[in-house]
Order: sequence, then structure tokens, then C-alpha cells
Amino acid sequence: KAGVTQTPRYLIKTRGQQVTLSCSPISGHRSVSWYQQTPGQGLQFLFEYFSETQRNKGNFPGRFSGRQFSNSRSEMNVSTLELGDSALYLCASSDGWVETQYFGPGTRLLVL
Amino acid sequence: ELKVEQNPLFLSMQEGKNYTIYCNYSTTSDRLYWYRQDPGKSLESLFVLLSNGAVKQEGRLMASLDTKARLSTLHITAAVHDLSATYFCAVDTYNNNDMRFGAGTRLTVKP
Repeated sequence: KAGVTQTPRYLIKTRGQQVTLSCSPISGHRSVSWYQQTPGQGLQFLFEYFSETQRNKGNFPGRFSGRQFSNSRSEMNVSTLELGDSALYLCASSDGWVETQYFGPGTRLLVL
Repeated sequence: ELKVEQNPLFLSMQEGKNYTIYCNYSTTSDRLYWYRQDPGKSLESLFVLLSNGAVKQEGRLMASLDTKARLSTLHITAAVHDLSATYFCAVDTYNNNDMRFGAGTRLTVKP
């Protein structure tokens, strides 16, 4: 099976812009979770989707949003980018609540 | 508020030695995770622990969970250089819609 893919892998944006990141899970996986990793804040949970429904959401402002499509592919959107949004964004897919997560390679976002 | 503390944050050990990484958390949890991250790479999921007394092992790594003490341990047996990485624990509370990560333990295994 193909692994989790994330696009784009690298992205440079300027403050105030918006960005959309994409995650394609392993075929058959219905759960997709998103995480942000920064040197200052470490790893933080953004949200989790299961069968197109947001099941969990971390403590992030409303500028961060996501969705999941019927084929389980997921996107996350960040509007009005701030310098502090520069981070590695990771997505992971799994087959269920207690199953192992498989991570994509991440998208490195740099906000100038 | 859910808090997760890992210690030590840095661990340098010799090959062949045993050591334990500790993960304490502040409130009742539903799932306890252990992850590994190599420098510049993504995360790799190691273990998911759900219930009190749960123990899982994979190769030289063994994770356990004590929900009463709100403590999980990741035990490394006879360390080898390939285990050098940063290890994170994370805890989530499904009903409270919260998930928190520890700060990570940077493990270096020296010959």
C-alpha cells in the first residue's frame, strides 16, 4: 500500500496570505489527524477527522480549519497567516480509534 | 488542563545499556501514545496504550501504562545506535477533546 502523502512538501508564504495543505491517507483509512510542530511550542494537535466529520479539535484559533472528503483525503487551511504559523505540519492516518497511526512526510511552511 | 511531562529531556547512553523514559500526565486519559522522530523527519508511531497495566513491546522498546499513577514508561533494553532519535509521548482525553504532547526525550546512543 502507498503511504500517507502530503502536498506540497515545502511552502513559502507571506503574512496575511492563506494556505491550503493536503493529505492523502493510506487507502482504506478513514481517520486523518493533523499536527503542528514548531521549535518553540513543540508538537501540538490540530484536529482529527473520521468519515468526513471532525471528531476532535485542538486549541487553535479559528484561522485554522480543515475538512475531509468522501475519499478520506483531508485538507487544512490557514487564513491570515502569521509569522508564528511557520512550522512543520504533519498528518497521520489510521484505520480506527485504537489503531496505529501512519504519518506523512510533512509540509514545511515558512511565513515571511 | 491536561499537562504532559517527559523526563529526561536529554539522554545519552552507551550501547548495551538499559534505560527508561518517563511520561507523567495530569488528568484521566483515554489513549497514551509513544512516537519516535529522527532528525529532520516525520513522526513514527511506536505504541498506543489504552488501559491500566497495558504493556507493549517491539524489539528493544517496551512501553507500559499505569493509569492510577498517570504514568507511562518507555524502557530501552540493550540500546543500539539505531535507537538514537527523539521520543515523544502524548495523551488524549477523548471526551474533553484534548490531546497534549510531551516535550520529547532526545536519546543519543554512543558506541
